[in-house]
Amino acid sequence: DAKTTQPPSMDCAEGRAANLPCNHSTISGNEYVYWYRQIHSQGPQYIIHGLKNNETNEMASLIITEDRKSSTLILPHATLRDTAVYYCIVRVASADTPLVFGKGTRLSVIA
Amino acid sequence: DGGITQSPKYLFRKEGQNVTLSCEQNLNHDAMYWYRQDPGQGLRLIYYSQIVNDFQKGDIAEGYSVSREKKESFPLTVTSAQKNPTAFYLCASSIDLSGFNEQFFGPGTRLTVL
Repeated sequence: DAKTTQPPSMDCAEGRAANLPCNHSTISGNEYVYWYRQIHSQGPQYIIHGLKNNETNEMASLIITEDRKSSTLILPHATLRDTAVYYCIVRVASADTPLVFGKGTRLSVIA
Repeated sequence: DGGITQSPKYLFRKEGQNVTLSCEQNLNHDAMYWYRQDPGQGLRLIYYSQIVNDFQKGDIAEGYSVSREKKESFPLTVTSAQKNPTAFYLCASSIDLSGFNEQFFGPGTRLTVL
């Protein structure tokens, strides 16, 4: 059963902000939201994760709604190198279980 | 440089042959993983290991086998029992299984069975 729902694809103009949505309406109180991305023919790369507060690092920002049922990953100034598949994953951080990847969103950054 | 190496990048085998994919990490991580990816699909978990000499089946373990004799190595054998072995195989590692530590991925091995 999928815990997250993401659009299959999105386009973004180079230099603009890319906003990638993720629905996780059945998220439980101790589950975190994780984002990874996979550039074509490479292994996935960790981006960011959060529980309920908004988070920001050098790569992106993660905005989680107050009810925690959805979140948005923001790439503030998308470049062509940000073209990738972005995976939103929900899991209990303290659990000894591996990540489960869905199909993600294919983001195409267009010049 | 610390990281995960997978070799070779491309591998071709004849149908019916077993093949072993290499995965080595020098990050001193306890946990290691194998995922399979088919075109246009997400990653599916084959096997994972929390510690040396211990491993667990993932969602699609049938037709695969692993060993974890050393902390830094987690080879995957694709046996002839795997009905559709052609795929992109990714190895990963993390400090432990918890979500408090990110997973680092290798560059992958693309296996083609002819």
